[in-house]
Amino acid sequence: GAGVSQTPSNKVTEKGKYVELRCDPISGHTALYWYRQSLGQGPEFLIYFQGTGAADDSGLPNDRFFAVRPEGSVSTLKIQRTERGDSAVYLCASSSGPYNEQFFGPGTRLTVL
Amino acid sequence: AQTVTQSQPEMSVQEAETVTLSCTYDTSESDYYLFWYKQPPSRQMILVIRQEAYKQQNATENRFSVNFQKAAKSFSLKISDSQLGDAAMYFCAYRSARRDLKTGAQKLVFGQGTRLTINP
Repeated sequence: GAGVSQTPSNKVTEKGKYVELRCDPISGHTALYWYRQSLGQGPEFLIYFQGTGAADDSGLPNDRFFAVRPEGSVSTLKIQRTERGDSAVYLCASSSGPYNEQFFGPGTRLTVL
Repeated sequence: AQTVTQSQPEMSVQEAETVTLSCTYDTSESDYYLFWYKQPPSRQMILVIRQEAYKQQNATENRFSVNFQKAAKSFSLKISDSQLGDAAMYFCAYRSARRDLKTGAQKLVFGQGTRLTINP
């Protein structure tokens, strides 16, 4: 596709469950970022991939959060034992070009009941 | 650490008029980028305009222009001839011009956002 895609668009889960959120970056973009946007706030950095490796995971809030990018393209954000405070929009962006501009996907809205 | 502050949670403007959204930031760096992003209800973050800190000239993109005051660390967005399609959340964001020395990341730091309403 032409842009960054994210699936699912919306995810409703129960407290304590495990969820996976998927990001398909723009083809050829080696840099990939995950951000979390809580209600009424701006996005906050979670994790950065350069190729297959998580180069910077300093924004992950705790060890229930984990992300992978095994082939350097699609990335999956995994959240274990979800809590109500995890409810937010999770945005993915891939980056390229002379300004390393980040192109965002439409996000996944996660609701933990 | 860098911070970005948007002090206007909500703004409204009459269609065809001009509105200015405010943003201030804090950094000890001298070389960086500033951005305004638009986020409509579809949640897609759309880049509106980019300003490079080393450039004194204010960036413009059609009806959108910025007032970049480096010494004051101020970066406001002016929307001229407002249109109904401009209604959205607007986020100011900062990014260092250098990659993180350890990780190579170029993280965006966002403000809290301003909700812009266009009155017909």
